[in-house]
Amino acid sequence: DAGVIQSPRHEVTEMGQEVTLRCKPISGHNSLFWYRQTMMRGLELLIYFNNNVPIDDSGMPEDRFSAKMPNASFSTLKIQPSEPRDSAVYFCASSFSNGEKLFFGSGTQLSVL
Amino acid sequence: GESVGLHLPTLSVQEGDNSIINCAYSNSASDYFIWYKQESGKGPQFIIDIRSNMDKRQGQRVTVLLNKTVKHLSLQIAATQPGDSAVYFCAENDPTGRRALTFGSGTRLQVQP
Repeated sequence: DAGVIQSPRHEVTEMGQEVTLRCKPISGHNSLFWYRQTMMRGLELLIYFNNNVPIDDSGMPEDRFSAKMPNASFSTLKIQPSEPRDSAVYFCASSFSNGEKLFFGSGTQLSVL
Repeated sequence: GESVGLHLPTLSVQEGDNSIINCAYSNSASDYFIWYKQESGKGPQFIIDIRSNMDKRQGQRVTVLLNKTVKHLSLQIAATQPGDSAVYFCAENDPTGRRALTFGSGTRLQVQP
């Protein structure tokens, strides 16, 4: 298995633009997680899905952030409009339904200028 | 987990020595704990996990110790190698299952050759 696949690897955009991050979880995993990592706040959970249904989105910063999981093999995290304070590394992770041993992707380094 | 700060605590060891990385967790009801290793530019990688019905668990060159009385977790790395240089995170679960793993702020391990 190729592991959790995220794209793009790097994204540089201007303030106000829409950003879409993509994730393909490990085949057979039922849970998918989006985390954000910054030096100031460490690894923060944004949202997680179980069987494609959002279970906990309390970590989503504000209405500018949205996430979807249209099927078991794909999820997106969208920021619209983006702001400089959104600059961070965004990780997607997947696991079996118990949500314990998470497998992380390589992350998307987002820079909003 | 550890309090979030502006910088990561750093542990510097000589190659071949044993390393001990500590973590204080916050939820006394947590019943599952996990250690991750994150190398520069990569996503967190699973090292070892432990359930609350155990005090100790050993892997290859790594041992995790759990002290539930003081809510303390430690990761011991035997015969530390340069390839062990990374940031190490502990994480605890939410036993209700409503939230995903909560990560500590991490400890940077530097191995001196």
